[in-house]
Amino acid sequence: AQKVTQAQTEISVVEKEDVTLDCVYETRDTTYYLFWYKQPPSGELVFLIRRNSFDEQNEISGRYSWNFQKSTSSFNFTITASQVVDSAVYFCALSDEGGTGRRALTFGSGTRLQVQP
Amino acid sequence: EPEVTQTPSHQVTQMGQEVILRCVPISNHLYFYWYRQILGQKVEFLVSFYNNEISEKSEIFDDQFSVERPDGSNFTLKIRSTKLEDSAMYFCASRTEVRNQPQHFGDGTRLSIL
Repeated sequence: AQKVTQAQTEISVVEKEDVTLDCVYETRDTTYYLFWYKQPPSGELVFLIRRNSFDEQNEISGRYSWNFQKSTSSFNFTITASQVVDSAVYFCALSDEGGTGRRALTFGSGTRLQVQP
Repeated sequence: EPEVTQTPSHQVTQMGQEVILRCVPISNHLYFYWYRQILGQKVEFLVSFYNNEISEKSEIFDDQFSVERPDGSNFTLKIRSTKLEDSAMYFCASRTEVRNQPQHFGDGTRLSIL
C-alpha cells in the first residue's frame, strides 16, 4: 500500500528565508513517481515538480529545489528566498505501479506554509 | 496552456438529492480521475477512468457514486443520494498515457449539502 507522511503541519517563516518541506513515503513497488502540488488560498491544486524512482538526481528550478533520497524514502522540497505569494498548503503525492499500471495519487496531509512580510 | 475545466464552481444541494459534477479534461489526455477534499483535510482519491471504464476506485467510491464519459469531452461524477458528509471540494484531474507525467487538476467544485 502507498503512504505519504508530511510531519510538518504548519510552518511560518519571514520573507526571504529558505524553507524546506519534508515528505516521507512508503511503497512496495520499485517503480514509482513523486510529486509536489501547491494549494493556494483560492483552492486549486497546482503541479510543481515530479521525480521518478529511477532518477535520483536532485535539481533546482528557479527558487525551487528538491532532495530525493531513496535510502530514507524522502522527497523534500525547498523554497529559496521565500515570498508572501508562496503562502499555501503544499502536498506531497505518490503514485506507484500497483502491478496493473500507474495508480492514482496518494497525498500526504499537507504542510501549511505562511510567509510573513 | 490547456487546462482541466470543472463546472459548477459551487453547488448547493439538499440532502438526498442527486448531483452531477462536470469536468472537461485536457483534450489529448486519456486518464481521468476524481478526488475529493473535505474542508481542512487531505486530498483523497475516488476513482480513475481509462478506455471508457473504471480502472481503479477507492473505498469511498461506493454504490452512491458513478462516473461517465457521455461524449468525447465531458467526464462526470454523479452522487445519487447525497449525504451531509459528501460536502467537500471535488477535483477532476487528467493525464497523458506517459507514466511519469503529472496529473493536471481542475479548480474544483465545492459541494455543499444542506
